[in-house]
Amino acid sequence: GAVVSQHPSRVICKSGTSVKIECRSLDFQATTMFWYRQFPKQSLMLMATSNEGSKATYEQGVEKDKFLINHASLTLSTLTVTSAHPEDSSFYICSARVRLAGGSGANVLTFGAGSRLTVL
Amino acid sequence: GQNIDQPTEMTATEGAIVQINCTYQTSGFNGLFWYQQHAGEAPTFLSYNVLDGLEEKGRFSSFLSRSKGYSYLLLKELQMKDSASYLCAVRDQATSGTYKYIFGTGTRLKVLA
Repeated sequence: GAVVSQHPSRVICKSGTSVKIECRSLDFQATTMFWYRQFPKQSLMLMATSNEGSKATYEQGVEKDKFLINHASLTLSTLTVTSAHPEDSSFYICSARVRLAGGSGANVLTFGAGSRLTVL
Repeated sequence: GQNIDQPTEMTATEGAIVQINCTYQTSGFNGLFWYQQHAGEAPTFLSYNVLDGLEEKGRFSSFLSRSKGYSYLLLKELQMKDSASYLCAVRDQATSGTYKYIFGTGTRLKVLA
């Protein structure tokens, strides 16, 4: 089935540095990818929708200059956390729409494995 | 705006049946999804409803009532490995035609022996 590959799975960095997270669709093309953030014991919060070849659409309250999203090709989207601070420590997870096989043919989200960011 | 509510935690016994409810309010409803998420892992897709009624898939079933803004996930013959968080998500279509997938707060299910 369709696989979304995300790395790194874990990253620890010092405050003030930038961290890049990559998300790749394997064996399928993803014109749109969704980036979520998840704090411990909380649900997924949509940060932005990444669109191939155009600007990302950010959710209200998400700083565009802090969370840079680039979707340069149909198989790669990246999230860069710029000048990371301890409060940015979280689980970041990307996803892409995949069409279900069978009758419904619905588009469901397939998730990457997630990236746990710890900012010291 | 959008609002999706689920109970925070539930506990059930191995072999039993449990129903996890989800209520939602959204302006451009275009389908409801249930995902399972084990701690520290990515969510995995369980079921999808876009029309009213029950969808059955092995031990898992999901029900939708669009007029009531209500769905439930039914888990039968509970196993210890079913201990996880269950996320209700709504696909919302904006007037521009774009889609967003909005997740509920998630329900942490603990299955006891």
